[in-house]
This record gives sequence, C-alpha cells and structure tokens, in this order.
Amino acid sequence: GENVEQHPSTLSVQEGDSAVIKCTYSDSASNYFPWYKQELGKRPQLIIDIRSNVGEKKDQRIAVTLNKTAKHFSLHITETQPEDSAVYFCAAFTSGSARQLTFGSGTQLTVLP
Amino acid sequence: GAGVSQSPRYKVAKRGQDVALRCDPISGHVSLFWYQQALGQGPEFLTYFQNEAQLDKSGLPSDRFFAERPEGSVSTLKIQRTQQEDSAVYLCASSWPRTSNTGELFFGEGSRLTVL
Repeated sequence: GENVEQHPSTLSVQEGDSAVIKCTYSDSASNYFPWYKQELGKRPQLIIDIRSNVGEKKDQRIAVTLNKTAKHFSLHITETQPEDSAVYFCAAFTSGSARQLTFGSGTQLTVLP
Repeated sequence: GAGVSQSPRYKVAKRGQDVALRCDPISGHVSLFWYQQALGQGPEFLTYFQNEAQLDKSGLPSDRFFAERPEGSVSTLKIQRTQQEDSAVYLCASSWPRTSNTGELFFGEGSRLTVL
C-alpha cells in the first residue's frame, strides 16, 4: 500500500517568514495530493490540493509543488501569520476500488509573533 | 446538513465496554470513510463505504471493530470490548464523487474516545 513520509515534525518560524513542509510517497499510481490544516481539537480542513498532471499550484500565500519523478511534494506558506499555527498533514490518494487517502504524520507549525 | 456531523464528540468508556460512534455525512455524498487519529499522529484509514456497500475494511485493527451504513447515509462505527489502545479520535469523512479520481474529503469534528 501507499506510504507517506512527512518532514519536519515540528517547525517554528518568525511571523512574516516562509515555511516549507515536505512529503514523499511510495505508490507511483497516486494521483491526487491534498494538504489539510488541523487546529487543536478541530477537524482537518483542506487548504490546497494538486493533481498529478500539474507541477505547481498557488493560492494566495499558499503554494504546493509536485515532482512525480521523485515522488515528492511540498507545501510552501509565505508571509506567515500567527493564525497559520496549526498541524499540517499531507496526503496521497490512489484511485481505484480502495479510494483511500494515506496521510503523513503531520507537521506542527508555530508562527512566532 | 451543512457539514459532516459526528456524535458523541466525547466518550469515556471503561475497558471492556462496547461503544458506538455515529456519523452523519453531507447529504448526497456517496463515499464515507472512517479514520482513527491517535494523539500527535495523522489519521489512519479504517474503512470505506460507497453508498451502503463496505468496499474496504482493511484498516480495521481487529474483529472488535465493526462499521455499517445500512441505508447508504448515516454510518455507525462500533467497538466491542474496548481496550486502552482504542483511545483515539475517530474521524468520519465523506465525499461525493463515485467515479471521479478526486479524493477531496470533508471531515467531521471527530469523536474522542478515552478508554479507562
């Protein structure tokens, strides 16, 4: 099955700096890569996603890049703000009968004011 | 409803008790997933329904775990003879597409189970 590795597990940045979180996946058949933000005690919420036919996607201060050859994708947050502090999860999705998302172990991002 | 609803939000059980966790998906969503999230970890897949059919239960950790979705809408995750290692947040998620390759999931707030 799919295996997703996520790094780093914790990340602290100063407000206004950029944050980068990296993930690798194992199943070359995976074709959809969402990123979820989870605040303490809350539900995971989709913040951005990318499909396998696209190399980069940007939405305001958030961008995601995908390298299919290396099976690697990254989340970039620019001009970080204190409200960006949360746990971020990457995930990989493989279509087919299983149709399940496999999540990384999460990155606790802390934006210091 | 406006989103995925789960109940109870919090459940404390004594070891050996049976528990039932309920999930109301977004109306019309075909696919329903259950995930288990241990403290400080990412969600781990438990089982998947497409309408009332349970297409994948490969993530259920033991035969004490059972899930159903008899009418293709509300789902119940049942855990029999709970053990301390069952303590976790149980997340339910739903999505609409049945044949599309998108995997976007909408999550509920989760049911936090604590087994004493």
